[in-house]
Amino acid sequence: AQTVTQSQPEMSVQEAETVTLSCTYDTSESDYYLFWYKQPPSRQMILVIRQEAYKQQNATENRFSVNFQKAAKSFSLKISDSQLGDAAMYFCASGGGATNKLIFGTGTLLAVQP
Amino acid sequence: GAVVSQHPSWVICKSGTSVKIECRSLDFQATTMFWYRQFPKQSLMLMATSNEGSKATYEQGVEKDKFLINHASLTLSTLTVTSAHPEDSSFYICSAREGGLETQYFGPGTRLLVL
Repeated sequence: AQTVTQSQPEMSVQEAETVTLSCTYDTSESDYYLFWYKQPPSRQMILVIRQEAYKQQNATENRFSVNFQKAAKSFSLKISDSQLGDAAMYFCASGGGATNKLIFGTGTLLAVQP
Repeated sequence: GAVVSQHPSWVICKSGTSVKIECRSLDFQATTMFWYRQFPKQSLMLMATSNEGSKATYEQGVEKDKFLINHASLTLSTLTVTSAHPEDSSFYICSAREGGLETQYFGPGTRLLVL
């Protein structure tokens, strides 16, 4: 069975600072993908970044980057130069296999202090 | 690109009535759509997976006769909550995936309140 664990229910960061959100996963799939989604108060799920497990290079999207450690089954999200608009619930998810279902973690609520 | 819409965004209904929620992929063809339920301050719970032209696959514990899913075209899937009861009140979210691509794109969600 696939599992995704986010051990930080809440995090806080000062505006313009850097914060790292943790995620670990377990999967029996050999070909899988990892995602970070953001859910602001509007509750719209927004894709932040994705990582193909077969790629060694860490994915980067502007101020968002990941630290993908395949052997450790770790997939953390780093947000640089944090902005007030980054305040949201962040969900880590893994997907893959025949059904391509996404398995979500429990989420980390990120607060950004001005 | 990759926009998914949901309608309605809000619905209030009386207990015993049925409610239909539509999910549309606006700028791509969604071979697979997913329906989730989310309770306040909790994660998303997958209810079912639907592929265009075939029957939906329901997750364990989800009543297929209660939550009817139809994926009649490559851009539209519907979720019908039949004989709704107050415990069905929740936030329902759909997502869509294009062809062999791995990323799911999410609709804005539908808030259902059953009185």
